[in-house]
Amino acid sequence: QSALTQPPSVSGSPGQSVSISCTGTSTDVGLYNRVSWYQQAPGTAPRLIISEVTSRPSGVPDRFSGSKSGNTASLTISGLQAEDEADYYCTSYTPRHTWVFGGGTKVTVL
Amino acid sequence: EVQLVESGGGLVQPGGSLRLSCAASGFTFSSRWMHWVRQAPGKGLVWVSRISPDGIGKDYADSVKGRFTISRDNVKNTLYLQIYSLRAEDTAVYYCIRDGDKYDFDSWGQGTLVTVSS
Repeated sequence: QSALTQPPSVSGSPGQSVSISCTGTSTDVGLYNRVSWYQQAPGTAPRLIISEVTSRPSGVPDRFSGSKSGNTASLTISGLQAEDEADYYCTSYTPRHTWVFGGGTKVTVL
Repeated sequence: EVQLVESGGGLVQPGGSLRLSCAASGFTFSSRWMHWVRQAPGKGLVWVSRISPDGIGKDYADSVKGRFTISRDNVKNTLYLQIYSLRAEDTAVYYCIRDGDKYDFDSWGQGTLVTVSS
């Protein structure tokens, strides 16, 4: 199973919106609504921020939102804040009862 | 509060073996699927394995199948990962994770570093 494709980096100024794409295939991202997103600040463990494409766990700010179209899922951060600077990873469940991650995207707040 | 505390990492020679442990607390361990995910230094996340609440159902990434064994002790509230025939490419931080019931990973440990080198 190949890794999902994410852009290596995105950047934006405080208050702007940025989006991160996560492209898979019809046998992972396109097959299920079982895509989740994780935020990893430097030197820390990842943290769940979006599950099942659009669901935001308790405690996650509503400026984080998720969507999906076909084989591509997306994470949008609206009203970018300095504390959002981190690496972001998508992952999808697969029919082989395994998970595949994206390569990660570094978000820089200018 | 959910707590997952990994241990057992360290420096190992190629071809060696290691057993990682993860002590869980703050939730009913015996009712949750559990996972291991690893991250090589400076690289991305890679899913490794998962185990069912009763310890019978197990799944592995193709890259580790046959060399890694996941297990659990529901009395001790502990998750394990036995790694055999270690290779340089197994060098990574290994995270213990609680399944979130939405095909996601809702709680992560701080990770334990495994370094494979002679």
